[in-house]
Amino acid sequence: ILNVEQSPQSLHVQEGDSTNFTCSFPSSNFYALHWYRWETAKSPEALFVMTLNGDEKKKGRISATLNTKEGYSYLYIKGSQPEDSATYLCAFSGGGADGLTFGKGTHLIIQP
Amino acid sequence: DTAVSQTPKYLVTQMGNDKSIKCEQNLGHDTMYWYKQDSKKFLKIMFSYNNKELIINETVPNRFSPKSPDKAHLNLHINSLELGDSAVYFCASSQESSGLAFLEQFFGPGTRLTVL
Repeated sequence: ILNVEQSPQSLHVQEGDSTNFTCSFPSSNFYALHWYRWETAKSPEALFVMTLNGDEKKKGRISATLNTKEGYSYLYIKGSQPEDSATYLCAFSGGGADGLTFGKGTHLIIQP
Repeated sequence: DTAVSQTPKYLVTQMGNDKSIKCEQNLGHDTMYWYKQDSKKFLKIMFSYNNKELIINETVPNRFSPKSPDKAHLNLHINSLELGDSAVYFCASSQESSGLAFLEQFFGPGTRLTVL
């Protein structure tokens, strides 16, 4: 059974502040690590897919890093805005066509 | 145009019934998936399917069966529905011709199934 852990489970951040949260995953049989953003009443939307140790990806104010040797990834949000409020999911792939193993998500609330 | 669509959006039914949820993707993707969001909001893979291979999560009861009439559709059929089947079911797709999950998945809007 694959264990994908995310912390914290929920996070309240003041608008304008920067924040980050963690995803830990098995360091063996690693193929890819995905980050998704999931707004209430919508579908999860892909933010990043990372495959190589040391990968860093950026999209606007959101960025992510990957350490496959120790099995963790960080997601950073710079200058949080209310529209960043969502649940952020990470998902691990060990390869093959067997889908993704998701963490339980970090529920981020940006307070104006 | 919606990239990944599911019907119905809501499904309320009695215990013991058989029901299907339809999923269609217009992205030309090779692989489709079904996920179940459980009561703790946790997304769990149920099936993945491309034109070569069906992979089933061993924890999924055999009352659940995916049916793919063509590459763009992967429907979920559920026999003898039980109370515990109540959940939100998400369909997803990705371009996975190599069979390796390097590429992002696109999710449908979800189907909320309620079994009474």
